Amino acid sequence: QVQLVESGGGLVKPGGSLRLSCAASGFTFSDYYMSWIRQAPGKGLEGVSYISTHDMIYDADSVRGRFTISRDNAKNSLYLQMNSLRAEDTAVYYCARVLGAYDAPDYWGQGTLVTVSS
Amino acid sequence: QSVLTQPPSASGTPGQRVTISCSGSSSNIGTNYVYWYHQLPGTAPKLLIYRNNQRPSGVPDRFSGSKSGTSASLAISGLRSEDEADYYCAAWDDSLRGPVFGGGTKLTVL
Repeated sequence: QVQLVESGGGLVKPGGSLRLSCAASGFTFSDYYMSWIRQAPGKGLEGVSYISTHDMIYDADSVRGRFTISRDNAKNSLYLQMNSLRAEDTAVYYCARVLGAYDAPDYWGQGTLVTVSS
Repeated sequence: QSVLTQPPSASGTPGQRVTISCSGSSSNIGTNYVYWYHQLPGTAPKLLIYRNNQRPSGVPDRFSGSKSGTSASLAISGLRSEDEADYYCAAWDDSLRGPVFGGGTKLTVL
């Protein structure tokens, strides 16, 4: 069955960096678009970054220039490099599979918490 | 401020039918598929409806989705206590070039 397992979250100071990873299994990773979605404490869902099967990338305005999504199809892995972190980036970050172009996510990982605080 | 608009709350009694609305625009719901998720506290969102009205295997037929123009709805019939959760809609947005979400609706089973 489809499994997405995130790792790499934690506590970081403002201005710091973190790299999130997502290990995918149970499907042909290279055939699917992938995304990172976040949820701040007590808030709704926000699309962060999105990568197509041909490495076309979309970033939300709130993270553009600071976050970089990438994928390694040989390792069935998705990544999110987060730089210049701010307090408002504090959230649970979910790795999610996207069914196809112009679709929203179908399968989600369990999430990893990123806390930006001094 | 979410791109898609949902009511913040909804409620019903066991056995009732409730609907949750999701309003968007021509750049998202108007031209692309709508997805619905539910989320229990402390857990990841789980897919309920994909591509407007399709149910993944394992989702009961008590859940149904529909779309008309730039709006969509999720209907839950035969409401059960375990349906109490947060519900989110989502769609691809052509202008923003990514998936967008509603603010979520908290469903209470009275």
